[in-house]
Amino acid sequence: NAGVTQTPKFRILKIGQSMTLQCAQDMNHNYMYWYRQDPGMGLKLIYYSVGAGITDKGEVPNGYNVSRSTTEDFPLRLELAAPSQTSVYFCASSYFKGTSVYNEQFFGPGTRLTVL
Amino acid sequence: QKEVEQNSGPLSVPEGAIASLNCTYSDRGSQSFFWYRQYSGKSPELIMSIYSNGDKEDGRFTAQLNKASQYVSLLIRDSQPSDSATYLCAVGGERGSYIPTFGRGTSLIVHP
Repeated sequence: NAGVTQTPKFRILKIGQSMTLQCAQDMNHNYMYWYRQDPGMGLKLIYYSVGAGITDKGEVPNGYNVSRSTTEDFPLRLELAAPSQTSVYFCASSYFKGTSVYNEQFFGPGTRLTVL
Repeated sequence: QKEVEQNSGPLSVPEGAIASLNCTYSDRGSQSFFWYRQYSGKSPELIMSIYSNGDKEDGRFTAQLNKASQYVSLLIRDSQPSDSATYLCAVGGERGSYIPTFGRGTSLIVHP
């Protein structure tokens, strides 16, 4: 299994440009997440999905959009990039049953994004 | 707003010593607790999860949970330079609230 994969690894954007960060997992996990991590900070949840067709906002959703048309893929769209979106973006997935407390997340390698 | 607090460090320990990393959380209803290790420039990697009060051991790692004090810790025995990393504590909310909240992490340096 490849686990959680992300593309691209690095990207430089100009202010106002748009791009899509790709994320895929092959573990048949139902939950998927997008986080951003700024230097010296923890992980901030941007969006998450509990299954195909269902997404919800996290702590810092402004400036981002997501979709989840399949179990495997969870792309993150940046519209009108701003310098404040310079960060490292991590995608994660987990298998979660609503009747349990177990929710161990597996992370992709990350995308380092710079907006100039 | 759930909060997870960690001392940012760095925590510096000599090789072979026990490293003790601590985490406190604000949501008294939290039920799941995780420790992730993150090497510089890499993604977080789950190393321990704990769900019940007490100790859970896995190799050189021991997670300790005290729900009454809202405190979870990670002990690393026989610390090695390869343990040098940032350790993130994550806390999951009440049953059904499945999104863990992450602390800012503690930087650990193990010097030879």
